[in-house]
Amino acid sequence: AQKVTQAQTEISVVEKEDVTLDCVYETRDTTYYLFWYKQPPSGELVFLIRRNSFDEQNEISGRYSWNFQKSTSSFNFTITASQVVDSAVYFCALSAYSSGSARQLTFGSGTQLTVLP
Amino acid sequence: GAVVSQHPSWVICKSGTSVKIECRSLDFQATTMFWYRQFPKQSLMLMATSNEGSKATYEQGVEKDKFLINHASLTLSTLTVTSAHPEDSSFYICSARDQGRETQYFGPGTRLLVL
Repeated sequence: AQKVTQAQTEISVVEKEDVTLDCVYETRDTTYYLFWYKQPPSGELVFLIRRNSFDEQNEISGRYSWNFQKSTSSFNFTITASQVVDSAVYFCALSAYSSGSARQLTFGSGTQLTVLP
Repeated sequence: GAVVSQHPSWVICKSGTSVKIECRSLDFQATTMFWYRQFPKQSLMLMATSNEGSKATYEQGVEKDKFLINHASLTLSTLTVTSAHPEDSSFYICSARDQGRETQYFGPGTRLLVL
């Protein structure tokens, strides 16, 4: 069975601060995928990134960066110079081959990020 | 990213009526789609996995006769909430799995309010 833990329920920062959202996962599979999704107040989940278990390279996309560490089973997400538009709920998710051919996602509980002006 | 549409975005109906929600993958074919339900301030709860041309697989505790799922083509899955009651009021979200990119893309969701 898979499990994803997002220990931070709510985070509040002031605009332009950097913020890191933590994600810790559990799986016995050696092949799996990790994801981050953003859910703004409108409700739609927006795909941000996918990382497979064989690729531990960190990734940067604009103000977003992701740190994947298999040794600690973590896939943390950092927003640099946060903006008010970054306010949303962020979900970390995992899919593994043992999830079945459908590759169901296991979601964390989400982190509500509020960026204050 | 890939685009998934979902209609309607809002539904208000009387208790006892049935409501149909459509989920379409617009720029890729999806043999597998998923239906989720989300309560306020909670994570997504998987209701069922919808496979094109076959019966849906429901999660434990989800009534298949209550939530009818049809996945008749590679780009369309529908969820029908039959004889809706106020406790069915929720935010329903679909997703479509892009097999090539090993990624689920989500629709914008449907807010259902049963009076």
